[in-house]
Amino acid sequence: GEDVEQSLFLSVREGDSSVINCTYTDSSSTYLYWYKQEPGAGLQLLTYIFSNMDMKQDQRLTVLLNKKDKHLSLRIADTQTGDSAIYFCAEIPSTGGGNKLTFGTGTQLKVEL
Amino acid sequence: EADIYQTPRYLVIGTGKKITLECSQTMGHDKMYWYQQDPGMELHLIHYSYGVNSTEKGDLSSESTVSRIRTEHFPLTLESARPSHTSQYLCASSVRYEQYFGPGTRLTVT
Repeated sequence: GEDVEQSLFLSVREGDSSVINCTYTDSSSTYLYWYKQEPGAGLQLLTYIFSNMDMKQDQRLTVLLNKKDKHLSLRIADTQTGDSAIYFCAEIPSTGGGNKLTFGTGTQLKVEL
Repeated sequence: EADIYQTPRYLVIGTGKKITLECSQTMGHDKMYWYQQDPGMELHLIHYSYGVNSTEKGDLSSESTVSRIRTEHFPLTLESARPSHTSQYLCASSVRYEQYFGPGTRLTVT
């Protein structure tokens, strides 16, 4: 079957903006998510967007959704060293019950001074 | 946000041992999940539960079993651990469309 795809690695300089991209599989997915995982830790829910929205902003985070292309992005403004982590996008496919999430492969963000 | 606890955080155990990974949440969430995270970072759902006495297998086949006798408790058991079970195991619970994760248990089977 199709996978939720992300680029594996992104490197940015401190203070720049980061954009992490994701291509998901199900055009009928109702909710799409971004999670952050720091080394040795579980996943932290950063934000999520309902499928009838194009954009959602929460402080330094901006989520953009292009349903036609099944493309989701996370922009982090003024990226800090504390933002270094792995970022996962996830969807709830329309065929799944119980709010089961399908995750992408994760993008490792490295913030350099 | 949910408080989800997993114990132990780290476990090194020999082949053939029986182990139980504990997961508890304090928010009364009905839905709970177990994921396995391999070294390549991708997460795979191995078990889930809609509520007490409800358990289902996930997308990834697993030799583990789960139980849900109480709303707040969702333990995962391996009857006979093998080196192929070495992985990180993440527990989660959800309310509405928000799913929250515990800190994980890193299991190494020697």
